[in-house]
Amino acid sequence: EDQVTQSPEALRLQEGESSSLNCSYTVSGLRGLFWYRQDPGKGPEFLFTLYSAGEEKEKERLKATITKKESFLHITAPKPEDSATYLCAVQAGTASKLTFGTGTRLQVTL
Amino acid sequence: ETGVTQTPRHLVMGMTNKKSLKCEQHLGHNAMYWYKQSAKKPLELMFVYNFKEQTENNSVPSRFSPECPNSSHLFLHLHTLQPEDSALYLCASSQDVNSGNTIYFGEGSWLTVV
Repeated sequence: EDQVTQSPEALRLQEGESSSLNCSYTVSGLRGLFWYRQDPGKGPEFLFTLYSAGEEKEKERLKATITKKESFLHITAPKPEDSATYLCAVQAGTASKLTFGTGTRLQVTL
Repeated sequence: ETGVTQTPRHLVMGMTNKKSLKCEQHLGHNAMYWYKQSAKKPLELMFVYNFKEQTENNSVPSRFSPECPNSSHLFLHLHTLQPEDSALYLCASSQDVNSGNTIYFGEGSWLTVV
């Protein structure tokens, strides 16, 4: 059974204080690892897809990396508008359905 | 504005009511999904449709009844729900059900069962 574990559960940063979110996964035949951002009361917003170990993707202050067992979402010099829950999900085998972690709730303060 | 639109955004219903959630995608995709999001739990896949045909039912109780009249529209019919069914119901779509495709979500429908 595919498993995704995210840590920490919650993270509080000051503006400009860089950090990383972790997503550990156990799957049989990884096809893709996805990062989403979810604001309160809204649906998940797609950020990145990573397909294989060593791959990196970047968007503004966010950078996603992946190894054979885990993925990291690095946040550089965060701003209050980066506050959200960040979700990690995996696709395995031949199907597109996603298995999600429980998310990391990020709060960035002034 | 997302390419996946859900209505209503909020719904309160009694346990004996019948209501429906509606989803429309404007992305030209062929696969559509219903997910359930409850507090402190991961998103749970409920149903998958590919080219209007149901390809997966993740052991969902029969009080939830999906309908997919075409590749752009998806409904979730609700009847005799329980208070524990209160959650955020998310519709999503992707190009098809093959792996490697990105799944895009709507804003969700907040359901409260009283």
